[in-house]
Amino acid sequence: DTEVTQTPKHLVMGMTNKKSLKCEQHMGHRAMYWYKQKAKKPPELMFVYSYEKLSINESVPSRFSPECPNSSLLNLHLHALQPEDSALYLCASSQEPGFGSYEQYFGPGTRLTVT
Amino acid sequence: SQKIEQNSEALNIQEGKTATLTCNYTNYSPAYLQWYRQDPGRGPVFLLLIRENEKEKRKERLKVTFDTTLKQSLFHITASQPADSATYLCALEGTGYSTLTFGKGTMLLVSP
Repeated sequence: DTEVTQTPKHLVMGMTNKKSLKCEQHMGHRAMYWYKQKAKKPPELMFVYSYEKLSINESVPSRFSPECPNSSLLNLHLHALQPEDSALYLCASSQEPGFGSYEQYFGPGTRLTVT
Repeated sequence: SQKIEQNSEALNIQEGKTATLTCNYTNYSPAYLQWYRQDPGRGPVFLLLIRENEKEKRKERLKVTFDTTLKQSLFHITASQPADSATYLCALEGTGYSTLTFGKGTMLLVSP
């Protein structure tokens, strides 16, 4: 199984809501990532988990809170978002956290709209 | 600071021709370079990885070159098909080799 799944596919939330994005992989990968992608822009790295520990936070606002409950699951908790946070949120995984030396497998993304 | 440039935002070619996409980088020397394909509203899909000591890599109709002197990678799709129409992203290790940084991508449109 070489698939990364993400739920939900679409999410509309108000600025006062709390919601969570979920990502799952069963490839035994030890690195998992959250990216944010705006229209016609490349994916921008938000967080990296290596062996279930947060290893990189790319100066992401605290209204985004990642969580890695186990080696197969990655969550992104959202609270008090702004309209400019509307984007496609992508989860990815790789065999090891070697970044350039391992390919990343991406999920289909969650299209988030903040109203 | 590091910079990644993909030669053009869009490239239009006719079916059957070879598409050549360019990825240039400045201000650092990555050990690895990757190419991904992304369809609208979908996550990127890995295509090829090339190491700094490899000049060329092939996979079916795809070929990637990596010239560390010119700081450039070329991505070729031979015998292109309309189904190859997508955005192609190059990605390199970031400064400090702690992140994977994507170029802005080139949108390829293959016309029948």
